[in-house]
Amino acid sequence: ETGVTQTPRHLVMGMTNKKSLKCEQHLGHNAMYWYKQSAKKPLELMFVYNFKEQTENNSVPSRFSPECPNSSHLFLHLHTLQPEDSALYLCASSQDRISGNTIYFGEGSWLTVV
Amino acid sequence: ILNVEQSPQSLHVQEGDSTNFTCSFPSSNFYALHWYRWETAKSPEALFVMTLNGDEKKKGRISATLNTKEGYSYLYIKGSQPEDSATYLCAPTGAGSYQLTFGKGTKLSVIP
Repeated sequence: ETGVTQTPRHLVMGMTNKKSLKCEQHLGHNAMYWYKQSAKKPLELMFVYNFKEQTENNSVPSRFSPECPNSSHLFLHLHTLQPEDSALYLCASSQDRISGNTIYFGEGSWLTVV
Repeated sequence: ILNVEQSPQSLHVQEGDSTNFTCSFPSSNFYALHWYRWETAKSPEALFVMTLNGDEKKKGRISATLNTKEGYSYLYIKGSQPEDSATYLCAPTGAGSYQLTFGKGTKLSVIP
């Protein structure tokens, strides 16, 4: 069993749909992250939550809406997405700030917007 | 925004060959450098977290060195095996930060 679990693994949605990605970590960490991996681009940080409070939002469009109800769960709500939002979305967690700490990733959710 | 460069972008080696690749990053406001290994259809896996100039880390056949003054790190793989085939990512971070800024990675293919 992996420490960070993401569902669904694959999602196809229309531009007018509303869907959500879910992430759960079983490591007792307090910080959780959403990253985006687009084709031919490096992993990009989207959001950071620490103890349920959002600490980073890297200028992500409002059509992506994160939610962190507790330190173990993180959601990414998706609405009116564009085809260019098709990408791999990775969730991760860490014990406090990254600096010298390891960040643990889930296997990702592949999103296709049609 | 940090500019993190990894080279080469891709690499093909024969089984048994040793190889190395480079990560370059800005040396200002540096606290730590993370190396990750990412196999297809799996989650990125942490290899090393390095903080000190001159630091060397080793994990099996994989080792890494760090030069914080000039802003680079080398990753070495000794006697490459097919299971080493993956994309290797580096990411520097600042002190007290939640941000890892990733390079595009080096994709290694080990040919049996």
